[in-house]
Amino acid sequence: DIVMTQSPDSLAVSLGERATINCKSSQSVLYSPNNKNYLGWYQQKPGQPPKLLIYWASTRKSGVPDRFSGSGSGTDFTLTISSLQAEDVAVYYCQQYYNTPRTFGQGTRLEIK
Amino acid sequence: EVQLVESGGGLVQPGGSLRLSCAASGFTFSTYAMHWVRQASGKGLECVAAINNRGDDTYHGDSVKGRFTISRDNFKNTLYLEMGSLRAEDTAVYYCARERDGDFDYWGQGTLVTVSS
Repeated sequence: DIVMTQSPDSLAVSLGERATINCKSSQSVLYSPNNKNYLGWYQQKPGQPPKLLIYWASTRKSGVPDRFSGSGSGTDFTLTISSLQAEDVAVYYCQQYYNTPRTFGQGTRLEIK
Repeated sequence: EVQLVESGGGLVQPGGSLRLSCAASGFTFSTYAMHWVRQASGKGLECVAAINNRGDDTYHGDSVKGRFTISRDNFKNTLYLEMGSLRAEDTAVYYCARERDGDFDYWGQGTLVTVSS
């Protein structure tokens, strides 16, 4: 199984500031024939199911605010929130879908400083 | 509107059985692979089972292999998870999720399974 490791485990950022969450996979999730990274980012608020934010490592799902962006390739990825809003408080997970089982990182808890 | 609604959770004794259901609507169910993902309280996400769109290819995680079985009825637009020989460590919220191009673009609200005597 591909192991996904996120850092940090928790993060406190001031409103309006940038938040950065990292994700590393134990093997590359870049599929060379189509040059796509099989990596997604999810947001989970308390009492709610996870919500897909980013797919193919950097494509925002429709309706997701543009302050959310994804980057990276191969084994190293980043989710950036450019200007933190109060409603962004949540746990964020990366997920690889390069192969089965789909595996998630352990999650990063984002709070307001 | 895509909707996934889980049901069937509850309190069960160790060694007992449950069947979870996930009713799908708002999309052509038979064209999507589906997954069951669980989350213990305060913990992360674990994919426990997956099934392709036709129902003829399945995956079960090592933690549930031989005890849980995923299935689907494309005529009833419903996904199932048969859970047997339940253990305390199976206690979790169980979500069904739709797979798009590998990512999970829609999730249900989840159903809580509690295994306790």
